[in-house]
Amino acid sequence: AQSVAQPEDQVNVAEGNPLTVKCTYSVSGNPYLFWYVQYPNRGLQFLLKYITGDNLVKGSYGFEAEFNKSQTSFHLKKPSALVSDSALYFCAVNYGGSQGNLIFGKGTKLSVKP
Amino acid sequence: NAGVTQTPKFQVLKTGQSMTLQCAQDMNHEYMSWYRQDPGMGLRLIHYSVGAGITDQGEVPNGYNVSRSTTEDFPLRLLSAAPSQTSVYFCASSYLGQGRGETQYFGPGTRLLVL
Repeated sequence: AQSVAQPEDQVNVAEGNPLTVKCTYSVSGNPYLFWYVQYPNRGLQFLLKYITGDNLVKGSYGFEAEFNKSQTSFHLKKPSALVSDSALYFCAVNYGGSQGNLIFGKGTKLSVKP
Repeated sequence: NAGVTQTPKFQVLKTGQSMTLQCAQDMNHEYMSWYRQDPGMGLRLIHYSVGAGITDQGEVPNGYNVSRSTTEDFPLRLLSAAPSQTSVYFCASSYLGQGRGETQYFGPGTRLLVL
């Protein structure tokens, strides 16, 4: 069965420090992986995705993610965190046949302190 | 472009009442879907559609009904609301061109409380 795991409910980081939000997946076949961010009382915003090619994917707002096939991971990273990065982050994998059905992780709350 | 819009923003229902959550997109996307978001559970797929007249069930379809008469609109109907349907509902849409690689765009959500 397809699944996505985000092992940390919350990640706390000081502003200016690097941040990592972890995601592991289990899918049959090639994975199509996504990161979304949700600010309070807002919808989900797309950050980045991995389909194929370079294992390091760059996305919006300075975020990047590294696809690691052997560890079945797709961790989200940013070299220098901002207070405004504080939000709920979701990892997702597309599992549907030819269309776009997503399975989401439970989400990780990122808190960046000044 | 307005993107994906949802109405209402917030709704309170009594058990047994029915209602329709509206979703519209102006990007000419073939694919549309409904998710519910519950604390600690991420988002779960309720129903989806790959074009007008074509709908299918997702992971948690019970108690919900959908139809797709136009490309733009994809309403979600609660036939007889139950407290277990208290949740935040998100509509999303995307092209089908890249299949599983297409990016889905989400609406702002509808917060539903069933008493």
